[in-house]
Amino acid sequence: GAVVSQHPSWVICKSGTSVKIECRSLDFQATTMFWYRQFPKQSLMLMATSNEGSKATYEQGVEKDKFLINHASLTLSTLTVTSAHPEDSSFYICSARDPGGNTIYFGEGSWLTVV
Amino acid sequence: DAKTTQPPSMDCAEGRAANLPCNHSTISGNEYVYWYRQIHSQGPQYIIHGLKNNETNEMASLIITEDRKSSTLILPHATLRDTAVYYCIVKSGAGSYQLTFGKGTKLSVIP
Repeated sequence: GAVVSQHPSWVICKSGTSVKIECRSLDFQATTMFWYRQFPKQSLMLMATSNEGSKATYEQGVEKDKFLINHASLTLSTLTVTSAHPEDSSFYICSARDPGGNTIYFGEGSWLTVV
Repeated sequence: DAKTTQPPSMDCAEGRAANLPCNHSTISGNEYVYWYRQIHSQGPQYIIHGLKNNETNEMASLIITEDRKSSTLILPHATLRDTAVYYCIVKSGAGSYQLTFGKGTKLSVIP
């Protein structure tokens, strides 16, 4: 079936540095992808909608200059956490819709730890 | 999108059927019922979705009541690997495909 893949699965970075997370749709083209964040013992919270060829739209309270999203192709969206701080440590997950149906698939998630 | 209500937790004996309920009394005519599960430290896994007819696939069955105000996800023979948080989400078939997650049901399959 359709697969969405993220890379890296986990990353540790120093405070103040930037880290990039990739989300790829392997079996289909996705004009829209979504980025979520999940803190321990909490549910997924939508951060932003990534639109191929145009600017991402961000949920209220999510800083667009801190969480840079690029959707340069129909199979790849990237999330860059800039000037990371320990409070940005979280589980980041992307999703994409298979245009062949109404099914939405999620990536495996990426654990970010900022030290 | 319509809101859903699920019990916070359930237990099920290994090998028995797990029946996970979901209430969505404000669902509208064009909204689908989606089920996902999230095993610890992984991204959500798609299970099944339906509009008004019952659906079955290799993972589970979805039973939607005639008035569509509630549904039940059935895992016919639960295994320890089915221990996860199960999310019931109602979403329109048109427009944006962002999903809104509630707290879900924590299913524990017991040996």
